[in-house]
Amino acid sequence: DVKVTQSSRYLVKRTGEKVFLECVQDMDHENMFWYRQDPGLGLRLIYFSYDVKMKEKGDIPEGYSVSREKKERFSLILESASTNQTSMYLCASSTQGAPGAQYFGPGTRLLVL
Amino acid sequence: AQKVTQAQTEISVVEKEDVTLDCVYETRDTTYYLFWYKQPPSGELVFLIRRNSFDEQNEISGRYSWNFQKSTSSFNFTITASQVVDSAVYFCALSVNTGGFKTIFGAGTRLFVKA
Repeated sequence: DVKVTQSSRYLVKRTGEKVFLECVQDMDHENMFWYRQDPGLGLRLIYFSYDVKMKEKGDIPEGYSVSREKKERFSLILESASTNQTSMYLCASSTQGAPGAQYFGPGTRLLVL
Repeated sequence: AQKVTQAQTEISVVEKEDVTLDCVYETRDTTYYLFWYKQPPSGELVFLIRRNSFDEQNEISGRYSWNFQKSTSSFNFTITASQVVDSAVYFCALSVNTGGFKTIFGAGTRLFVKA
């Protein structure tokens, strides 16, 4: 069974803290994605990666960075967390080539106080 | 620019009713892909269907059916004889070949199916 796992389901951090969100997939997928989900806005793409050490900005990359050192792992980093980064963060992966289904993790609900 | 509009924010139906979720998309690309995903209360999005822009055939899978019409830029989703387990948020999404088929999601439609 395909699997995308995220390091935490719930996270509470303070303003200014550095936050790491980890995502691991076991499907040998080339593509990985980080989205944030907010009510009424759907999913918005933060960053995506086509391959190890490759990254591309999505629609809302400000305040975020990513790291992909291994194919199966894609990390999202909030350098200095702010209250407007309180959100649900979803990681996904997919195969290379023409877009197929994205497989999503369970999400991390982040609260920044 | 690409855009996906799901005008229905919330829909409430009684079990066994049919329900249609609307999706309208915008793109100037001739090659694109459309998707529907389901997000149940547990939170994990689940892929339902993918359609490419060259295939306008409607699709049926059990109680689910999809109507793709390029003339109206719509990709609507119908659930026949709805069940309580269909309660979820449903997202329509669009992928075009800009820097690697980035996917744009609609805002989602929350469906409540009451027993």
